[in-house]
Amino acid sequence: QVQLQESGPGLVKPSETLSLTCTVSGGSISNYYWSWIRQPPGKGLEWIGYIHYSGVTKYNPSLKSRVTISLVTSKNQFSLKLSSVTAADTAVYYCARAPCSGGSCYMSNFDYWGQGTLVTVSS
Amino acid sequence: QLVLTQSPSASASLGASVKLTCTLSSGHSTYAIAWHQQQPEKGPRYLMKLNNDGSHTKGDGIPDRFSGSSSGAERYLTISSLQSEDEADYYCQTWDTGTVVFGGGTKLTVL
Repeated sequence: QVQLQESGPGLVKPSETLSLTCTVSGGSISNYYWSWIRQPPGKGLEWIGYIHYSGVTKYNPSLKSRVTISLVTSKNQFSLKLSSVTAADTAVYYCARAPCSGGSCYMSNFDYWGQGTLVTVSS
Repeated sequence: QLVLTQSPSASASLGASVKLTCTLSSGHSTYAIAWHQQQPEKGPRYLMKLNNDGSHTKGDGIPDRFSGSSSGAERYLTISSLQSEDEADYYCQTWDTGTVVFGGGTKLTVL
């Protein structure tokens, strides 16, 4: 059974960089897309970005200037860095997997999610 | 622009059926979507991928009470024999080259 687990600091100071790691167990990093999604308290889901196992990344345009997603294939992990955070970045952060679709390996639906981790931005 | 529209809330009685709707924006009526369930204080759970022809692929362990259908730009999630644990937020999700989009979510109340 595939499992995803987010980890990282629960409190980050304004203007600093938020760093989270997602550890994947029960399956390989290969042939999938790996995403970060966040949910501010009481609000809906917002896609942050994804990384393909080949290393190709795509980010939400609203966050693109501050986001970096990377893979650590040897550890079956991928990470999120979000710079210059403000209180508006306070949210539960989820990692999720999407399988390749079609022969050209297009992005598709998320099929496994982590349980989420709350990150609060406050001094 | 690729957008998904959902009604903010829905309600139905215990044991009854309910049909939730997710509408694709103009020009995107052939897109597949996915439905995800988020129970209170939990992370989302994948329910199914739903194609424009109504065919769907469910996630692991999703009961037969959950089914999907399509009509034009609308994608539906039907839950039959409603149980108390079905009270949750339901999100639709779609994708295109370089982007992923979520609907605003529908909060389902089981009466």
